[in-house]
Amino acid sequence: DVKVTQSSRYLVKRTGEKVFLECVQDMDHENMFWYRQDPGLGLRLIYFSYDVKMKEKGDIPEGYSVSREKKERFSLILESASTNQTSMYLCATTLTSGVITDTQYFGPGTRLTVL
Amino acid sequence: GDSVTQMEGPVTLSEEAFLTINCTYTATGYPSLFWYVQYPGEGLQLLLKATKADDKGSNKGFEATYRKETTSFHLEKGSVQVSDSAVYFCALSQIIQGAQKLVFGQGTRLTINP
Repeated sequence: DVKVTQSSRYLVKRTGEKVFLECVQDMDHENMFWYRQDPGLGLRLIYFSYDVKMKEKGDIPEGYSVSREKKERFSLILESASTNQTSMYLCATTLTSGVITDTQYFGPGTRLTVL
Repeated sequence: GDSVTQMEGPVTLSEEAFLTINCTYTATGYPSLFWYVQYPGEGLQLLLKATKADDKGSNKGFEATYRKETTSFHLEKGSVQVSDSAVYFCALSQIIQGAQKLVFGQGTRLTINP
């Protein structure tokens, strides 16, 4: 079974802090994704990566950056956290690139609160 | 751009009731369609999918048929259980910059009472 783990289930930070969210997968998947989940809005894509050191912006990249130094690890960085970044953050992976029918495998999520 | 619209929740049913959660989409080309489910305290997991028109996806007693003529992918189950209580997301898949991108609906929270 594919396992996607996220570094924290709950996180509380102060406005202006730098925040790191980490995602690790154990199945050698090529693609990794970061979403945020907000009530009534579903999931929105922040960034994705299709290879080591490669990244692409999603629909809402403003205020975020990412890093993928190793294939199994994909980090989401909030350079200066703000209260409107309070949300649930979900990491996901897919096995291959460019396959429209691929299943995405999700981690359990990190609920981030910015005070 | 592409989009997915689900029926608004929350939806509350009694055990053994019939379930329908409506989903319609707008897309160019030929997307694949998915239902994902999120149980309390967990991430999303795939429930079922359909990859072309008239395909029926099914799993755990749930079914959905890819209807191109009505651009719909409604989720149905004949007899729900308390354990089906969760949030359900309809999604379509497209290829952007060589990678799969999912576009999600807003989610429908389902509660089943014993």
